[in-house]
Amino acid sequence: AQTVTQSQPEMSVQEAETVTLSCTYDTSENNYYLFWYKQPPSRQMILVIRQEAYKQQNATENRFSVNFQKAAKSFSLKISDSQLGDTAMYFCAFMKHAAITQGGSEKLVFGKGMKLTVNP
Amino acid sequence: EAGVAQSPRYKIIEKRQSVAFWCNPISGHATLYWYQQILGQGPKLLIQFQNNGVVDDSQLPKDRFSAERLKGVDSTLKIQPAKLEDSAVYLCASSVKRAGELFFGEGSRLTVL
Repeated sequence: AQTVTQSQPEMSVQEAETVTLSCTYDTSENNYYLFWYKQPPSRQMILVIRQEAYKQQNATENRFSVNFQKAAKSFSLKISDSQLGDTAMYFCAFMKHAAITQGGSEKLVFGKGMKLTVNP
Repeated sequence: EAGVAQSPRYKIIEKRQSVAFWCNPISGHATLYWYQQILGQGPKLLIQFQNNGVVDDSQLPKDRFSAERLKGVDSTLKIQPAKLEDSAVYLCASSVKRAGELFFGEGSRLTVL
């Protein structure tokens, strides 16, 4: 079974600073996807960034980037130029690459989450 | 584009009572998920539908939880009878093709007294 571990329960950062959120995972799979989801207070969870394990290049989405270390099974999220709107719970998640026979649909496994507070 | 709709947003019941949650996914999304998120934990998948067929319900406590997806669109999650440990936010999500890109609703917060 796959497991996702987020060891830092909470972090705070000043506006405009850079912060890195850590995540490790355990799997015997070779093909899979990794994700960071954001859950703002009292709002729905949204996808921040997605990484495909077969791609060596780290994914980037505007101020958000990842450091994917496949051998170490590490997947950290870097937020540059932090904004007040980045305050949220952040969840790291894992999904196996689905077999064609399974219709391309697999289970998304989440970590426990980390609370990030951006202070003015 | 309308998002994933869930109702009710909040529900308070006593243990041994029953409750039902409703979800309307984004139009055209074939895959629908119900997740349970207990305070301080990450979401845990309860059941996953592909159209109106069940793909994964391995973590659904079937003695008390049931779910259905009518005509491959709306879905209902029922708990009967509820236990104290069922207090959680029940998240519905839907997806279409891009693996792992789920669109979540705002959730239904259940408190069991």
